[in-house]
Amino acid sequence: TQLLEQSPQFLSIQEGENLTVYCNSSSVFSSLQWYRQEPGEGPVLLVTVVTGGEVKKLKRLTFQFGDARKDSSLHITAAQPGDTGLYLCAGNGSSNTGKLIFGQGTTLQVKP
Amino acid sequence: ETGVTQTPRHLVMGMTNKKSLKCEQHLGHNAMYWYKQSAKKPLELMFVYSLEERVENNSVPSRFSPECPNSSHLFLHLHTLQPEDSALYLCASSQTTGKNQPQHFGDGTRLSIL
Repeated sequence: TQLLEQSPQFLSIQEGENLTVYCNSSSVFSSLQWYRQEPGEGPVLLVTVVTGGEVKKLKRLTFQFGDARKDSSLHITAAQPGDTGLYLCAGNGSSNTGKLIFGQGTTLQVKP
Repeated sequence: ETGVTQTPRHLVMGMTNKKSLKCEQHLGHNAMYWYKQSAKKPLELMFVYSLEERVENNSVPSRFSPECPNSSHLFLHLHTLQPEDSALYLCASSQTTGKNQPQHFGDGTRLSIL
C-alpha cells in the first residue's frame, strides 16, 4: 500500500517567517502534486513535480521533488496571512486510473 | 472558480433517508472522481469514471451508489448511511485518467448523518 506522510500536521507562525512542509513515502511516485485547500472550498492545485530532483517556484513558494521520487517539500518564504490553509500533497498511484494518494495534510496558520 | 459545481453544499439526513449528491463540470473533461474527506484522515478516493465508465471502485460500501450519465455529470446516491459516513464529499474532474493529470475539485457537500 502506497502511503504519503506529511509533517508537520499543524503549523502556526507569524507573518514574515519562513517554513517548510514535508511529504514522505517509502514508495516511488511518478509525480507528486501539491494542493491548497481553504475552509469551505475544495483543494486547488498549486504545482505538479515529475522529474526526480526537480525544483519549481511559484512566487514565494518553492517545491522540490526528491531525487528518488519518494518525497517532496514545500518551502514558503516570508509567509503572509493569505497563505493560511490546508496544504495537501498527492501522488499518482501505481494504477493508470488517475488515482491520487493524498497525505493527511498540513494546516498552516499565518498570524498578522 | 466555477469549473466544478457541487450541490447541495450542505445536507443533513437520517440513517433511513435516500438522497443524492450532484456534481457538474464545465471544463470539457473526460474523467470524474468522488472523494471522501473526514477530519484527521487523508482524502479517500471512492470512485473514478472515465468517459462515463466506472474504472475504479475503492472498496466503497454498497450504500454509496455512483452514477455518471454523461461526461459532465456525476451523482452519488446515498441510502441507509451510518453516522461514520458524515464527512465532506468532494467531486473532481481531470482531462483524462492518465498520470500527472491535475484534478479540479468542487467545493464539496458537507454531509451530516443523524
